[in-house]
Amino acid sequence: SQQGEEDPQALSIQEGENATMNCSYKTSINNLQWYRQNSGRGLVHLILIRSNEREKHSGRLRVTLDTSKKSSSLLITASRAADTASYFCATDRNDYKLSFGAGTTVTVRA
Amino acid sequence: DTEVTQTPKHLVMGMTNKKSLKCEQHMGHRAMYWYKQKAKKPPELMFVYSYEKLSINESVPSRFSPECPNSSLLNLHLHALQPEDSALYLCASSQGGLAGGRAETQYFGPGTRLLVL
Repeated sequence: SQQGEEDPQALSIQEGENATMNCSYKTSINNLQWYRQNSGRGLVHLILIRSNEREKHSGRLRVTLDTSKKSSSLLITASRAADTASYFCATDRNDYKLSFGAGTTVTVRA
Repeated sequence: DTEVTQTPKHLVMGMTNKKSLKCEQHMGHRAMYWYKQKAKKPPELMFVYSYEKLSINESVPSRFSPECPNSSLLNLHLHALQPEDSALYLCASSQGGLAGGRAETQYFGPGTRLLVL
């Protein structure tokens, strides 16, 4: 079942701008992961943040986690056309499964 | 080899056909997954194999039959599907088997796009 809710559903930005998307969830988690999916293809793992971490960086990606608010954000800095994709958060609720959010579709305009 | 491969890339089948989807990974991962994804929706978990044993079946209809012949291969046998089963079918793997309840990073294949006529 889907636990995460992502906001916004869709985002259109100019190349070079930053993109921020948010994920909220309902129950306590072990970790939260972000995945990217280019149109009609498989998902690519971007970053995993554990419940005892507050912020994590990977290249142009910055993820924050606020367990008190049950929310996470993904920031993509200096966006490129290749960042056009759908982005999903996925929570690990200690039941062996990943529960994916509805996703945010990001379009980067040249 | 750090990828998950899936064949075929596309499949069109009639409601009376029997077909199989194949997934392969050579990363030594001990858990393998089947997901179904409809357009503009997140992936939905169908099955999980851990150490070649079926560990999770998310109440999937019996017209979908998974098989794990060895630690590198995962098949999904399809029989008497319905048009609403048309979707992108994704295979994924993760390093450890299911233990301690934790969900690890999953590595996804490119998917098989299935159309049921």
